[in-house]
Amino acid sequence: GQNIDQPTEMTATEGAIVQINCTYQTSGFNGLFWYQQHAGEAPTFLSYNVLDGLEEKGRFSSFLSRSKGYSYLLLKELQMKDSASYLCAVRDQGTNAGKSTFGDGTTLTVKP
Amino acid sequence: DAGVIQSPRHEVTEMGQEVTLRCKPISGHNSLFWYRQTMMRGLELLIYFNNNVPIDDSGMPEDRFSAKMPNASFSTLKIQPSEPRDSAVYFCASGGLGTGTPGSPLHFGNGTRLTVT
Repeated sequence: GQNIDQPTEMTATEGAIVQINCTYQTSGFNGLFWYQQHAGEAPTFLSYNVLDGLEEKGRFSSFLSRSKGYSYLLLKELQMKDSASYLCAVRDQGTNAGKSTFGDGTTLTVKP
Repeated sequence: DAGVIQSPRHEVTEMGQEVTLRCKPISGHNSLFWYRQTMMRGLELLIYFNNNVPIDDSGMPEDRFSAKMPNASFSTLKIQPSEPRDSAVYFCASGGLGTGTPGSPLHFGNGTRLTVT
């Protein structure tokens, strides 16, 4: 099975940088995803890591350490519209490849 | 690309009634997933299909829940009879070619908000 942990809530200031951590313990691993979900909307894909290291995508970056079962999402130059829930998800492998298990999400509030 | 299309957007029904949720995945995606989201339990995978075949339904809570995918462009999730604890947002998502294709993220529909009174 999969066990994924992320902080429940975080608060940051507009223009600042925030790091959202995710730790996981899994029976199989075939990639880690970050999704953004605004209140009342569907999750949307932000980033993907399958190898160790940093993936950068504009203001958003994601890091993975497979040996530590650890990832983080880094948001730079925060904007008010970044207030949302951020979901860490781990994809399984083998016979369950394709199956993604989600963490409970981190609700980020960006304040002026 | 119209994205994943779900219907209805909202459903309010009385306990004991049958509820059918519908999903049209993105054309060309061969994996389809049904998730349920609540404040208490987060986003839970109910069932997923590869090439229209159910692969893992271990997340389906009870026999009251059933899902079908008669063809590559349509799936249904049925609850019969419905209960108040089934109230949640139900998301359908589709994924890219192959099982666990690296880097192929899930594309979610807008969800169906189900309220059972």
